[in-house]
Amino acid sequence: NAGVTQTPKFQVLKTGQSMTLQCAQDMNHNSMYWYRQDPGMGLRLIYYSASEGTTDKGEVPNGYNVSRLNKREFSLRLESAAPSQTSVYFCASSQPGPRPYEQYFGPGTRLTVT
Amino acid sequence: DQQVKQNSPSLSVQEGRISILNCDYTNSMFDYFLWYKKYPAEGPTFLISISSIKDKNEDGRFTVFLNKSAKHLSLHIVPSQPGDSAVYFCAASGVSGTYKYIFGTGTRLKVLA
Repeated sequence: NAGVTQTPKFQVLKTGQSMTLQCAQDMNHNSMYWYRQDPGMGLRLIYYSASEGTTDKGEVPNGYNVSRLNKREFSLRLESAAPSQTSVYFCASSQPGPRPYEQYFGPGTRLTVT
Repeated sequence: DQQVKQNSPSLSVQEGRISILNCDYTNSMFDYFLWYKKYPAEGPTFLISISSIKDKNEDGRFTVFLNKSAKHLSLHIVPSQPGDSAVYFCAASGVSGTYKYIFGTGTRLKVLA
C-alpha cells in the first residue's frame, strides 16, 4: 500500500497562475483533508471531505477550491495564486477504527508563489 | 485565537534522558488529543493519542498525560534517542462526526548523542 500520495512534490508559480494539487489514498478511507503548514503556525485545515460527495471549509479556505473526485482522490485548486499561498501543503485521510481519529498524511507539496 | 498552544518552539535533551513536550488548550469541548511526529521533508506521522476520559496513555517509550482541569497535556519520551529528533505537534479534536483537528505550532526536539 502506498498510503497517501501527493503530486507534485515541488511547484513554483507566478502570481495569478492557477494549479491543482492532487491527492490519492489507497486505504479505503472515507474522510480526506487538506492542510497548509507555515513557520510558527503549525498545521491549518484548509478544506475537508467527511465522505465522498461532501466538502466543507476549514480554518483557512479563502483562495482555494476542492474537489472530491471519488473515494480515493481529493484535489486542491488555487485559481489565482498569491505570494501568501507560499506554503507546504499536506493531504491526509482517516477512517473510524481502533483509533477513530488517527489521520494519515501524505509527504507534502512545497509551493512557492513569486 | 490559538486554541492549542505549544509554548516551547524547541527543546534539546541528552540521549538516554527524558524528553517532556508540553501542550495547552483552551476549549473544554475537546475530547480527544493526539501527538504527531514530523521529520523534515515528510508528512506528520501519528505517535500516540488519549481520550478525555483517561489521564494517561502509554506506548513503549512514549507516554501522554492529560490534566483536564489545567487543560494541559504532555508527552514523555523515555529514554530519548537521537532518532526521536523531529518536530512534535499536539492536536485536539472535539467536533463530533467530522474528525477535525486543531494543531499546535509544534516543538522541535533535538536529542544530543
